[in-house]
Amino acid sequence: DQQVKQNSPSLSVQEGRISILNCDYTNSMFDYFLWYKKYPAEGPTFLISISSIKDKNEDGRFTVFLNKSAKHLSLHIVPSQPGDSAVYFCAARQGGSEKLVFGKGMKLTVNP
Amino acid sequence: GAGVSQSPSNKVTEKGKDVELRCDPISGHTALYWYRQSLGQGLEFLIYFQGNSAPDKSGLPSDRFSAERTGGSVSTLTIQRTQQEDSAVYLCASSFKGGNIQYFGAGTRLSVL
Repeated sequence: DQQVKQNSPSLSVQEGRISILNCDYTNSMFDYFLWYKKYPAEGPTFLISISSIKDKNEDGRFTVFLNKSAKHLSLHIVPSQPGDSAVYFCAARQGGSEKLVFGKGMKLTVNP
Repeated sequence: GAGVSQSPSNKVTEKGKDVELRCDPISGHTALYWYRQSLGQGLEFLIYFQGNSAPDKSGLPSDRFSAERTGGSVSTLTIQRTQQEDSAVYLCASSFKGGNIQYFGAGTRLSVL
């Protein structure tokens, strides 16, 4: 039973445009959410996170939005750059637990 | 080192052999985690250490899997009598105690023939 779902396996956008990556979750006890970026042959790199007490967190070109009622979060990248091409993982943590629960990832390709 | 270090980066073994995977966390990080990523899947939690203790071993898939941590630093994940389904990338992460962000190493790609 997948508690964190990234339903689109891939996304392709043009350089300079917006990339929107979506993530849905089923466990209402999750209280912290993270996005990681992964290049081939490297480990996941932390990108941005959001606590369940917030609905938006912004860091430069990256913004994460959280809709708790819909159990949905999204990552916006504006403007997208070719160097953003990677696999992006959504992850969630339940209060009182240390483990992260990951989605299957989505491959983003930003075309020059 | 500056980041989480894992060795070896690649390991090819024969079915039935035992393997040991090593993780050296970021200096000062008391929490250490092991995950694995099978082909086409997300990261799957295996075990969590706080210091040398493992309060959460819930993700270990069978008793062939074990892990230890010594000196509050280096950790070793051991897989006994490896099976083909154990083939995956094994990732280690570390964080400060109570920290929300886990920092990952590059992983060990295990191939069981």
